[in-house]
Amino acid sequence: GAGVSQSPRYKVAKRGQDVALRCDPISGHVSLFWYQQALGQGPEFLTYFQNEAQLDKSGLPSDRFFAERPEGSVSTLKIQRTQQEDSAVYLCASSDHRGIYSNQPQHFGDGTRLSIL
Amino acid sequence: AQSVAQPEDQVNVAEGNPLTVKCTYSVSGNPYLFWYVQYPNRGLQFLLKYITGDNLVKGSYGFEAEFNKSQTSFHLKKPSALVSDSALYFCAVSPNQAGTALIFGKGTTLSVSS
Repeated sequence: GAGVSQSPRYKVAKRGQDVALRCDPISGHVSLFWYQQALGQGPEFLTYFQNEAQLDKSGLPSDRFFAERPEGSVSTLKIQRTQQEDSAVYLCASSDHRGIYSNQPQHFGDGTRLSIL
Repeated sequence: AQSVAQPEDQVNVAEGNPLTVKCTYSVSGNPYLFWYVQYPNRGLQFLLKYITGDNLVKGSYGFEAEFNKSQTSFHLKKPSALVSDSALYFCAVSPNQAGTALIFGKGTTLSVSS
């Protein structure tokens, strides 16, 4: 497809389980971002990749959160030992601009809605 | 601290009337400014951006935004609202300096009635 694809669209997990969220960016896009969007709030930055390099992970809320992009295309956000406060929509975005601070728009996927019971 | 404020949780307008969705920011330096729109259960769609130059920028779907440096504002406007404009609107700032990536406001729900 032409856009950013995220899967699954919905994920329900029990507290303590590990989850993995997938993002397939627009082909050729160098930059990839993960955001967390809590209910009624704007997205908050989690982490940034330039190709396969994770250049900024300052927004990851704890060491239970881990992201990777091993071949510079598809990315996976993993959350270990999930907690109820992890319930949110996780958005992935990509950009063809090289750099975290950019004047180019980011292209967002539809997100994964994660619910922790 | 760098931040973006959208002071209105909801804006209600009648179809055909002009609309304004407000945004102010607190970022040092010369930031890049964006507006995105989000429809239910969808990701964010880019509307327009301000980088430099003319303070009035035009974007998708007839939207425009006015940058005011002295008031640190970047209000979204449209001369004539459509029912289909009803959605959640986010203002965002790219600080263009060391810090986080895009900083988003908490969003404003626009409701256009027929």
